[in-house]
Amino acid sequence: RKEVEQDPGPFNVPEGATVAFNCTYSNSASQSFFWYRQDCRKEPKLLMSVYSSGNEDGRFTAQLNRASQYISLLIRDSKLSDSATYLCVVLPFGNEKLTFGTGTRLTIIP
Amino acid sequence: GAVVSQHPSRVICKSGTSVKIECRSLDFQATTMFWYRQFPKQSLMLMATSNEGSKATYEQGVEKDKFLINHASLTLSTLTVTSAHPEDSSFYICSARGVREPNEKLFFGSGTQLSVL
Repeated sequence: RKEVEQDPGPFNVPEGATVAFNCTYSNSASQSFFWYRQDCRKEPKLLMSVYSSGNEDGRFTAQLNRASQYISLLIRDSKLSDSATYLCVVLPFGNEKLTFGTGTRLTIIP
Repeated sequence: GAVVSQHPSRVICKSGTSVKIECRSLDFQATTMFWYRQFPKQSLMLMATSNEGSKATYEQGVEKDKFLINHASLTLSTLTVTSAHPEDSSFYICSARGVREPNEKLFFGSGTQLSVL
């Protein structure tokens, strides 16, 4: 089983729609969780951290479910500029190495 | 914000040649640098972790004699792909963490697309 699993997509979503991604992780001792965004052939960029209480940043909402070991990302009122690959990233407890999921490819359609 | 500069951005080389990729932290001291490789439609796979002044720690399955990593200063780490072969063609990307920064606060270079003919 992969340490971090994501549906690779692609998700093709009309502009203005709401889209949600899930990610599951296998290490129950993981302590920190993040969503990164990666454009084609570019470096990943931190989108947001994911907290147990859930957190929101503008149109983006992240949720963490420790019992089921999954993380979600919700994008509301999607924009064309949201087209990218979204990487689920996990930091195990006591570890300095981030573990990346394969990413979910999102394309927003005009 | 902190900037990590990675060069070159793209390399095309013949099979058997060696390629050096540089990763520089421009406005902070990077005690730890990470090197990743990403094949198309796959996740970033950590290759090795390097700490300034010490030998790099390689992940399982990564050949240390083929992927030479040097982290001689707090602002520069290099990855040399020795005797490159077509299967080494990939996107290589570095990230750096500054002194006293939390583990998740990494700054990424812009990546190097290596194509071996």
